[in-house]
Amino acid sequence: SQTIHQWPATLVQPVGSPLSLECTVEGTSNPNLYWYRQAAGRGLQLLFYSVGIGQISSEVPQNLSASRPQDRQFILSSKKLLLSDSGFYLCAWTVGGQETQYFGPGTRLLVL
Amino acid sequence: DAKTTQPPSMDCAEGRAANLPCNHSTISGNEYVYWYRQIHSQGPQYIIHGLKNNETNEMASLIITEDRKSSTLILPHATLRDTAVYYCIVRVPGSGGTSYGKLTFGQGTILTVHP
Repeated sequence: SQTIHQWPATLVQPVGSPLSLECTVEGTSNPNLYWYRQAAGRGLQLLFYSVGIGQISSEVPQNLSASRPQDRQFILSSKKLLLSDSGFYLCAWTVGGQETQYFGPGTRLLVL
Repeated sequence: DAKTTQPPSMDCAEGRAANLPCNHSTISGNEYVYWYRQIHSQGPQYIIHGLKNNETNEMASLIITEDRKSSTLILPHATLRDTAVYYCIVRVPGSGGTSYGKLTFGQGTILTVHP
């Protein structure tokens, strides 16, 4: 069966520090991968999606970037965090041709 | 993607059926109805989806009206662990373009199951 991992589970970072969040999927090949962010009390906002290695599409301009160095690995990064980057970051995957997205456990980021 | 309207909150007694409504009056013919839920501090969980026929799986049933302008998610025997925010989403399956795979989550319905 397929599983999706995210780490770390929680993170507290100072403003201006770098960020690296990792997402990996097991049990499937060639997944489509997504990064979402959920601000406190708000809905989910799609940040990036990827249909293959090295292929990244950005939904909104922002302080973040994403990379996909391997088929089942998706990384969310920032060079300098802002207070507004605080939130709950979720990675999701789906297989091409199927529309159901499966979400990871999330990383809760607090920027102080 | 069509816009959806859900009540902000609902209560249900444990062991009873929970019926969560969703209005999607502007849904187009090729848009599916999806339901997800999000338990506190966890990632969203897929529940069920359908196009026009009623659907049932091990978690829930989805009833879609004949005109497809509304639907109801039914949890037949709610438990305390079903307390969560339930999201109704309508979208067109498919690939390509900047909207590929994008799930637009609204505010959802906070379902509270009481003992």
